[in-house]
Amino acid sequence: AQRVTQPEKLLSVFKGAPVELKCNYSYSGSPELFWYVQYSRQRLQLLLRHISRESIKGFTADLNKGETSFHLKKPFAQEEDSAMYYCALSGRTSGSRLTFGEGTQLTVNP
Amino acid sequence: GAGVSQTPSNKVTEKGKYVELRCDPISGHTALYWYRQSLGQGPEFLIYFQGTGAADDSGLPNDRFFAVRPEGSVSTLKIQRTERGDSAVYLCASSLDGGLSATEAFFGQGTRLTVV
Repeated sequence: AQRVTQPEKLLSVFKGAPVELKCNYSYSGSPELFWYVQYSRQRLQLLLRHISRESIKGFTADLNKGETSFHLKKPFAQEEDSAMYYCALSGRTSGSRLTFGEGTQLTVNP
Repeated sequence: GAGVSQTPSNKVTEKGKYVELRCDPISGHTALYWYRQSLGQGPEFLIYFQGTGAADDSGLPNDRFFAVRPEGSVSTLKIQRTERGDSAVYLCASSLDGGLSATEAFFGQGTRLTVV
């Protein structure tokens, strides 16, 4: 069975501070990992995917297969980063379905 | 609009009633997904369509739930004999094809279903 765990439901940091949102997964095989974000009153949208190895809005995430983690990081948080963040997984055995974690609500204080 | 559209945005129904939730995907997207999000949880997969056919319906919780996509575009999620536990936000998403490594899944705003 595949599973995504986000251990922190709430995370609060000050503007300019580094932020790390944790994501751990379990999956038999090679998964594809994603981070989705939902800003207040907006729809869920893709932030980044590990296969692209890209940086979006200053966020990066590295897939660590040894630790089965895909933590999201940003060196200097901004107030506009305040949102709900979901880690998600898909894989060959699950076809095109996404398995989401429970989400982490990030608040960046001024 | 160019995004995924879901109607209604809110639906309140009485226990035992039948409801239909509609999803208009982005034009040209062959893949369509339904997810359910309960309070405090992440979205949970229900069903995936590739074209007109349900390629994976393993997430439907029981036979009260059914979804169709007769012409490969608009989809309707149907819930019979609603129960209070069905209360949730129902999300629809579409993508160009089903390969999520290469294409992005775009989500609608969701339909908030409340069963009283």
